[in-house]
Amino acid sequence: DAGVIQSPRHEVTEMGQEVTLRCKPISGHDYLFWYRQTMMRGLELLIYFNNNVPIDDSGMPEDRFSAKMPNASFSTLKIQPSEPRDSAVYFCASGTSVSGETQYFGPGTRLLVL
Amino acid sequence: SQKIEQNSEALNIQEGKTATLTCNYTNYSPAYLQWYRQDPGRGPVFLLLIRENEKEKRKERLKVTFDTTLKQSLFHITASQPADSATYLCALDMSGSARQLTFGSGTQLTVLP
Repeated sequence: DAGVIQSPRHEVTEMGQEVTLRCKPISGHDYLFWYRQTMMRGLELLIYFNNNVPIDDSGMPEDRFSAKMPNASFSTLKIQPSEPRDSAVYFCASGTSVSGETQYFGPGTRLLVL
Repeated sequence: SQKIEQNSEALNIQEGKTATLTCNYTNYSPAYLQWYRQDPGRGPVFLLLIRENEKEKRKERLKVTFDTTLKQSLFHITASQPADSATYLCALDMSGSARQLTFGSGTQLTVLP
């Protein structure tokens, strides 16, 4: 299996622009998680899905952030409009209810908002 | 408020020695605790999970203990190697949902040759 796939790996944009991050979970996994990692705040859970349904989005920082999972093999995290404080590494992770609570992380998208 | 603390931000040890990392938590009784390894520029990789009814778990040179009375987990790497150098993160489900992990800030381990 290729593991969790994220794109793009790096994104540089200007303040006010829309940013879309993409994730393909491991095939057969029914949980998908979006995290953000910064030096100041560490690794924070933003939102997670189970069977394509958002379960908890309490970690989403504000209305500028939105996430969707239209099918079992694809999810997006969108920031509109982006701000410099959104600069971080965004990770997608997936997991399965069968194998337990382990989460498998993608390589991350490094976002820089100028 | 709920909190996870990992001991020192950085730990340097000599190759061949045992590295011991600490994870402390407050105000919660998690059903399990996980340890992950993160290398620079990469996502965290799962290492071990220990449940509240387990005192100790081992995997090759790794050993994890879980003391629910002290609210502490210890993570040991025996016979450490330079390749073990990385940041190690502990993670707990502090929501009761069994899926929402809260991560500690991590301990950066450097094994010196």
